[in-house]
Amino acid sequence: EDQVTQSPEALRLQEGESSSLNCSYTVSGLRGLFWYRQDPGKGPEFLFTLYSAGEEKEKERLKATLTKKESFLHITAPKPEDSATYLCAVQANNFNKFYFGSGTKLNVKP
Amino acid sequence: GAVVSQHPSWVICKSGTSVKIECRSLDFQATTMFWYRQFPKQSLMLMATSNEGSKATYEQGVEKDKFLINHASLTLSTLTVTSAHPEDSSFYICSASASADTQYFGPGTRLTVL
Repeated sequence: EDQVTQSPEALRLQEGESSSLNCSYTVSGLRGLFWYRQDPGKGPEFLFTLYSAGEEKEKERLKATLTKKESFLHITAPKPEDSATYLCAVQANNFNKFYFGSGTKLNVKP
Repeated sequence: GAVVSQHPSWVICKSGTSVKIECRSLDFQATTMFWYRQFPKQSLMLMATSNEGSKATYEQGVEKDKFLINHASLTLSTLTVTSAHPEDSSFYICSASASADTQYFGPGTRLTVL
């Protein structure tokens, strides 16, 4: 069964304290892995798509990496405005739909 | 680019009434649109997938007759919650996809059924 697990559930960081969020997945043929950011009361905002193991993508303080079993979202020197819930989703081959993890709620304190 | 809008952003209705939520892709044509439901502090739960001009595919456990989905054009999909009850209160989010890849999400609609 296709499954996505994110850890930790919640993460509190001091401003400037770098860390990583994890997304482990089991899927019958990975078509793509997606990272989204969601602020309270809003829809998810697209961040990255990763397609194959070894791929990396960066955007400002965020860097996403992918292996055959998991993806990491690295946050370098976070700022309070990075506080949000980060969602990971996988798309299996031959299927349109995404399987979402339960998210990691990040809180960055000034 | 890749902007998706939803209307209304919030709605309050009486039990037994029907509510229609619109999802529009503003700057691209969406071959596929998805409807999700999200409970507080939980992740997104896929309700159905719809392709323009064809019937929606519902996930297991989602009542087709209660949640009516119409994908009338490549830029518009609607979700109608029929005979709404308090347990239907939730945050409903749509997403749109131009290809088989990335989904772009709308801002969500908060439904409260009294």
